[in-house]
Amino acid sequence: GAVVSQHPSWVICKSGTSVKIECRSLDFQATTMFWYRQFPKQSLMLMATSNEGSKATYEQGVEKDKFLINHASLTLSTLTVTSAHPEDSSFYICSVRGDRNQPQHFGDGTRLSIL
Amino acid sequence: AQSVSQHNHHVILSEAASLELGCNYSYGGTVNLFWYVQYPGQHLQLLLKYFSGDPLVKGIKGFEAEFIKSKFSFNLRKPSVQWSDTAEYFCAVNAFPNDYKLSFGAGTTVTVRA
Repeated sequence: GAVVSQHPSWVICKSGTSVKIECRSLDFQATTMFWYRQFPKQSLMLMATSNEGSKATYEQGVEKDKFLINHASLTLSTLTVTSAHPEDSSFYICSVRGDRNQPQHFGDGTRLSIL
Repeated sequence: AQSVSQHNHHVILSEAASLELGCNYSYGGTVNLFWYVQYPGQHLQLLLKYFSGDPLVKGIKGFEAEFIKSKFSFNLRKPSVQWSDTAEYFCAVNAFPNDYKLSFGAGTTVTVRA
């Protein structure tokens, strides 16, 4: 069964709208979750590491104010794309990791299309 | 920071053919290595992983990979592919001390013709 649930799977909205994506760990408590972005025909690029109870750690070049991450509980992290524009259209994927040295489990991803 | 290079962008082969996908990484320290597969319309799934021990790792669905430290490589192999192996394959690495961060290769699309 699924270990990670991501919602919504697809969202289309107008430019300037803020969009929230949820990532839930179903099988275990995850102190660390990860948010990736995948452009067509390209690999996953890590955007940020979501830490339960503290601020997220963003990768170089990722705008903190643009991509707001909240990890309020051990089973839920949210990514909010604020004032989204067409260039933000992409496939966003979250993953969770249990204990150290365990592989990450990925969600189904969210396809975001900004018109 | 580590980087991951996958040699083939798209591989096309017939059923029962053997498959080998190349993966090289650039990092001199201790690494964990992974191969993930993404079937059409599905999420990434772990095929196999290497943390330590025997450098020849066996995964699910008949896949195996060999870690050659001297070559910084972790190539994926399957002796006889099936049509259902059609998918995107990603090599990924995480390196100590940032062992929680995965770096992915660009991916290899494998198309198996029936």
